[in-house]
Amino acid sequence: DAGITQSPRHKVTETGTPVTLRCHQTENHRYMYWYRQDPGHGLRLIHYSYGVKDTDKGEVSDGYSVSRSKTEDFLLTLESATSSQTSVYFCAISGPGTRGAGELFFGEGSRLTVL
Amino acid sequence: KNQVEQSPQSLIILEGKNCTLQCNYTVSPFSNLRWYKQDTGRGPVSLTIMTFSENTKSNGRYTATLDADTKQSSLHITASQLSDSASYICVVTASGAGSYQLTFGKGTKLSVIP
Repeated sequence: DAGITQSPRHKVTETGTPVTLRCHQTENHRYMYWYRQDPGHGLRLIHYSYGVKDTDKGEVSDGYSVSRSKTEDFLLTLESATSSQTSVYFCAISGPGTRGAGELFFGEGSRLTVL
Repeated sequence: KNQVEQSPQSLIILEGKNCTLQCNYTVSPFSNLRWYKQDTGRGPVSLTIMTFSENTKSNGRYTATLDADTKQSSLHITASQLSDSASYICVVTASGAGSYQLTFGKGTKLSVIP
């Protein structure tokens, strides 16, 4: 299994509070991604990173920010959580080569409930 | 707009039987097509990746086919086992401008019953 750890695995929070999800990898892969998975939708890309301090937006980035200060860590922050951000969040990594071309390895997911 | 449609949405089969899941896509320009297995409460795990030139790829009891002309793929599961109960996700990659864009299907939920 690819060495990807997400934390926390489960979180319940209230509307308006900040939330940070952490993704830690031990594979030294260049690319890291945050996706959300909701019923009735395929996985949707929130943000991705192509190196330390290099990040870019995905298709559903509104309300989210990310940071990558070390190769192994990619943080997803909800500055002020809303009920629409209740979801399961997956971190993924991919190896060398052009972004998106290589095999994608997923973490176990973080289930976030915003009340 | 790139789209990936999977059918059926859900499927129930008896243990030991075969089944086929479908994936139709309108993704351009096509780079590759992937099938993932996602167990309940877990992250997706890659089963196969096929490029334009590959029309069949196997991984144990899983066989994926690709028809790039009709933009269709299928995932055939042989002699199903209870552990095959999962969601199966088709992902199509479009290439262009120095990067690749992945479009995920909504998945087919397979239940294998004794």
